[in-house]
Amino acid sequence: EPEVTQTPSHQVTQMGQEVILRCVPISNHLYFYWYRQILGQKVEFLVSFYNNEISEKSEIFDDQFSVERPDGSNFTLKIRSTKLEDSAMYFCASAIDRGLEQYFGPGTRLTVT
Amino acid sequence: KQEVTQIPAALSVPEGENLVLNCSFTDSAIYNLQWFRQDPGKGLTSLLLIQSSQREQTSGRLNASLDKSSGRSTLYIAASQPGDSATYLCAVSVYTGANSKLTFGKGITLSVRP
Repeated sequence: EPEVTQTPSHQVTQMGQEVILRCVPISNHLYFYWYRQILGQKVEFLVSFYNNEISEKSEIFDDQFSVERPDGSNFTLKIRSTKLEDSAMYFCASAIDRGLEQYFGPGTRLTVT
Repeated sequence: KQEVTQIPAALSVPEGENLVLNCSFTDSAIYNLQWFRQDPGKGLTSLLLIQSSQREQTSGRLNASLDKSSGRSTLYIAASQPGDSATYLCAVSVYTGANSKLTFGKGITLSVRP
């Protein structure tokens, strides 16, 4: 069964460094998302993406964040200058249609030291 | 602003019990509602999706219902097993222009005792 994949599974970085989190959505899906979950807290929406542009971004998704679909299969989240409070599990999701089921990847655990 | 609440935060039941997990949301203008399972340190596994026009969905031992007007959904688990132990998350979907987004509850951590 097709699934969303994410790499790496765990990334440790120092404060101020740039990180790129990678996702491969399900191949025929057209709608893409990033969410994050700080330990012990709710899963929070970060950004949605469709037709090669951002559809909506949350207040968390400030100028330090960017997303890209560089080659028609990968979907990346870049954090330009990481902060301690960016430590969280980051989930990528995709859907074939905006009103249908979102399928989530296994997540990347980002630890900023 | 949409808020999703799941109470209680944790539940412990003996194996074999039928149980109901509750979810409530503040804004009834949703497109669908999804129930997820999350094992410790792992990703989210979709269990059931209910469209706003539907009242319930079933998958195996799971049955989810939706009452949009009252802002409530329930996930019914029949004949619970220790393998059902996990955190169950409820999320509502709203349209945002060309796309949509999910708003999650904090989840209910279920422990099924053998």
